[in-house]
Amino acid sequence: DVVMTQSPLSLPVTLGQPASITCRSSQSLVYSDGNIYFNWFQQRPGQSPRRLIYKVSHRDSGVPDRFSGSGSGTDFTLRISRVEAEDVGIYYCMQGTHWPGTFGQGTKLEIK
Amino acid sequence: EVQLVESGGGLVQPGGSLRLSCTASGFTFSNYEMIWVRQPPGKGLQWLSYISPSGSDTFYVDSVKGRFTMSRDNAKNTLYLEMNSLRVEDTAVYYCGKDPRGPEYWGQGTLVTVSS
Repeated sequence: DVVMTQSPLSLPVTLGQPASITCRSSQSLVYSDGNIYFNWFQQRPGQSPRRLIYKVSHRDSGVPDRFSGSGSGTDFTLRISRVEAEDVGIYYCMQGTHWPGTFGQGTKLEIK
Repeated sequence: EVQLVESGGGLVQPGGSLRLSCTASGFTFSNYEMIWVRQPPGKGLQWLSYISPSGSDTFYVDSVKGRFTMSRDNAKNTLYLEMNSLRVEDTAVYYCGKDPRGPEYWGQGTLVTVSS
């Protein structure tokens, strides 16, 4: 199975400051159709996961534009330009290129 | 509006069985691949199983292969997960999701507790 490694696992951030999470996959995530099925999810306390970013850099409907995704091949990054209080939660990367899909360990974002 | 509603969770003894359901609405269920994902208490997410739109193809992670069976009834817009030979380590919130390559939509989850 593809191993997804996130860092950091804990991310204390001051309100209004930027934040960044990286995710590395153990093999290339380029699928045979040319797409890279890489996603970022946010899970707020007590809630189901919510997809933020799909195919590396496409923001889902309703996701604030302070969230952005980038990367290629095996290295990916989620950036939050200015952290707000509602961003507290755990962030997971996930690859859907290879079966089974696999998630990173999660990064816990908290406000300093 | 797309909605996925899981049900069927509960407390079961090790070695027991349980069937989870996921009722879908707001989209043409029979056209879409679906998955189950689980999350043990306080831990991360695990992609468990996949089913094709017709139900003819399925895929399971090794840890549940041979014990769990995923199926669907497209006439009832419902997804199922039959879980047998349950173990303590199967304790988790179970979510159904639409789109196996990165679920845009998730249910609220149903808690399965395996304990004596």
